[in-house]
Amino acid sequence: GESVGLHLPTLSVQEGDNSIINCAYSNSASDYFIWYKQESGKGPQFIIDIRSNMDKRQGQRVTVLLNKTVKHLSLQIAATQPGDSAVYFCAEILDNYGQNFVFGPGTRLSVLP
Amino acid sequence: EPEVTQTPSHQVTQMGQEVILRCVPISNHLYFYWYRQILGQKVEFLVSFYNNEISEKSEIFDDQFSVERPDGSNFTLKIRSTKLEDSAMYFCASSGGSATSYEQYFGPGTRLTVT
Repeated sequence: GESVGLHLPTLSVQEGDNSIINCAYSNSASDYFIWYKQESGKGPQFIIDIRSNMDKRQGQRVTVLLNKTVKHLSLQIAATQPGDSAVYFCAEILDNYGQNFVFGPGTRLSVLP
Repeated sequence: EPEVTQTPSHQVTQMGQEVILRCVPISNHLYFYWYRQILGQKVEFLVSFYNNEISEKSEIFDDQFSVERPDGSNFTLKIRSTKLEDSAMYFCASSGGSATSYEQYFGPGTRLTVT
């Protein structure tokens, strides 16, 4: 079936370095993608989104890149901080109404001092 | 800043019992959702709710599950006869239904433990 997946289950980076978290999706018809951050004991928190008619979108310290050719999504975090330590999920919307989100399994980002 | 709240934070129940998980979405939001996350696994969509009815549900959301918006503020998930495999974190979320953004706001979750 359709699925969203992540290449790396864990990622460790030095404080101050840039982080790149990757996601592969399989539904070429998906129109909308979101990155979420989930800290321990908390619910997912929206970070940034991107529509399929874009290939790049920037936020505060974060950039999402979308490569529709290879169905690949990435989240770049600039100058990673200890507070960025969390699990990061990508999610895609399978329908046009924004109702059916499919989440990837998540990547755990650990920021080393 | 407005937030989604959920109660209880932890619910322990015996197999076969009914549980009701409660959520208060953000007040001006139009779409409401329930998700679950089994320990160590990914977040899974259960159901979405709009205009006082279910708009979409997943295969997980079988006849044992139901949702209700009993008043203008609460959104509940009922599991009629819990099974061991229902043990998970259950997250409620809401969104404003903007045409340009599907940004969902998640609550802190209810940890359901079925024994």
